[in-house]
Formats: sequence, C-alpha cells, structure tokens
Amino acid sequence: RKEVEQDPGPFNVPEGATVAFNCTYSNSASQSFFWYRQDCRKEPKLLMSVYSSGNEDGRFTAQLNRASQYISLLIRDSKLSDSATYLCVVNAGAGGTSYGKLTFGQGTILTVHP
Amino acid sequence: DVKVTQSSRYLVKRTGEKVFLECVQDMDHENMFWYRQDPGLGLRLIYFSYDVKMKEKGDIPEGYSVSREKKERFSLILESASTNQTSMYLCASLQGGGSKVAKNIQYFGAGTRLSVL
Repeated sequence: RKEVEQDPGPFNVPEGATVAFNCTYSNSASQSFFWYRQDCRKEPKLLMSVYSSGNEDGRFTAQLNRASQYISLLIRDSKLSDSATYLCVVNAGAGGTSYGKLTFGQGTILTVHP
Repeated sequence: DVKVTQSSRYLVKRTGEKVFLECVQDMDHENMFWYRQDPGLGLRLIYFSYDVKMKEKGDIPEGYSVSREKKERFSLILESASTNQTSMYLCASLQGGGSKVAKNIQYFGAGTRLSVL
C-alpha cells in the first residue's frame, strides 16, 4: 500500500463547479498535512496547510480526518486557472532530521473547461 | 521571496556518463532535498541534507550520490547514468521556522528534465 494515495483523475469540470479531492495516508503517526499545486511543466507550490479543525482560504477548503486517515480539498466556483495537478503531502516526522521530510501522493489532475 | 535555482532546465546525456545536477537556494535554509518525478509515481525522495556535509538517504537513493559542501548548494550526482534515470529532477529547500507547520513548507526549483540516451 502506498503511504499517500490519491485518485489520479483526471477530473474535468465546467467553470463554476465544485470539486472535491480525497487523499488517504497509511502512517497514523503523521504529523503535518498539506496540499501543493503543480502547473503543467512547473514546480510544485504550497497551496495550503491542513489543520485538524479544517481550514479555508477563499474558494479552497481543506479538511483532515485523523481517525480515518484522510485529507480532503474542496474547490468551490472553479476557475479556468484552477486547472493543475493537486498533490496531497504528508510528513510523518516526529522530530530531529525528520522534520521537512515529506511524502507526496501521485497527484490528482484537474481540468476546468469553459 | 525564496529562490531555488537549478542550473539546467533540460539535459541530454548518454548512458554511462557522470551527471551533475546543481541546486542553489538564497535563503540560508538548512534543509535541502532532491526528488525525481515520474508519471504515475509522483515525487520520490532521493536524498536530503539537513546541514553542510550532512546527508541522508531518501526512498530511492540507488544510483545517486549527493554533495553539500556549502549551505546554499546541494548537488545530485549520477555516477553512471542509465536510461531508467530519465526523469524530472526537482530540488527543494525548507523554510524552517518556529512552528511545526512552518518547518515543513518546501520551496521547489523549476526542475531539470534529464534524458539519458
């Protein structure tokens, strides 16, 4: 079983749609959780961190369910510019040199069309 | 803004060649990372370094080595390139900071697409 698993998609949605991505992780000791975004032929960039209480940043909402070991990302009112690959990222490090050692899911491809 | 610079965007090398991929960051970060990214496999960690001259193996270190002689520079070395090392290579640098979350925000270079023929 992969440490971090995502549905690779692709998800094809019209502008204005709401789309949700899920991600599961296998290590129950995982400490920190993130969503990164990667545009075609570009490097990954942090989209948002994911907190236990859930957090929102504009049209984006991230949720963490520690009991079920999954993370979600909800995008409301999709824009053409949201088209990208969304990477679920987990850090299982408990300290020392493990800080910053991240495990990436394979990514979910989103295409928003007019 | 944090800047992570990889020396080449595209490289074409021949099987058996020794290949150096260079990465430089300008924010005095202690931790640096090398990943490769392949379709269907996502990003996989090759090596990382948490200080000058310190290195640790990641998940797929075979066929690679690294060098961290200066804090700002982290080099990935393919001792004898093989066709299965054709991939996108990404270098990352870690923000650090006081919070647990801040310690895990990585900034990536633009990537080097390596083809080994």
